[in-house]
Amino acid sequence: GQQLNQSPQSMFIQEGEDVSMNCTSSSIFNTWLWYKQDPGEGPVLLIALYKAGELTSNGRLTAQFGITRKDSFLNISASIPSDVGIYFCAGPREAGGTSYGKLTFGQGTILTVHP
Amino acid sequence: EAQVTQNPRYLITVTGKKLTVTCSQNMNHEYMSWYRQDPGLGLRQIYYSMNVEVTDKGDVPEGYKVSRKEKRNFPLILESPSPNQTSLYFCASSDRDPEVDTQYFGPGTRLTVL
Repeated sequence: GQQLNQSPQSMFIQEGEDVSMNCTSSSIFNTWLWYKQDPGEGPVLLIALYKAGELTSNGRLTAQFGITRKDSFLNISASIPSDVGIYFCAGPREAGGTSYGKLTFGQGTILTVHP
Repeated sequence: EAQVTQNPRYLITVTGKKLTVTCSQNMNHEYMSWYRQDPGLGLRQIYYSMNVEVTDKGDVPEGYKVSRKEKRNFPLILESPSPNQTSLYFCASSDRDPEVDTQYFGPGTRLTVL
């Protein structure tokens, strides 16, 4: 199955700073999903990407589907304390195909925002 | 309110004592799934179900069983729990394939096996 590597594993930033994180795969993906997990909660879908090169925004969040189809990036602009949490990328477990229910997740990026 | 519920939220048990974690959704979703979350490993899929009576293995199915007799319920069964199954468990559901439809997660069940 697919393996997803997220970087960095953790980030400590000041409120107001911009944040960048990425996710890479050894194989081609057709879909990239980004989730956020607030402390003590289940993950929530932030952004879904379906086309190579696609750039999608959701408020202060912007995600991109890498041209090589083997990576994806998530940026957060002007961070605020409620951005704290774990950010996960996810994609289909079978290389190059649709998941038909099988999803694989990255290890997560832990974001801490200091006021 | 549309939601995924899990019970119990917290459970401490001993090795070998069978347990069931229930999961229920009120959104008439066809797809349901179980994940475990461990530090440094992210979320790993245990089992999933595309519809009633249809279940399939995820990445880490060993030591777990599931059933999908009704659309709304998807219980996770540990027949003989072991300490390596100590983890945070999440149930999730989506209208169809989570690759194309938003997947909604429950609040999690923290399980400790002594």
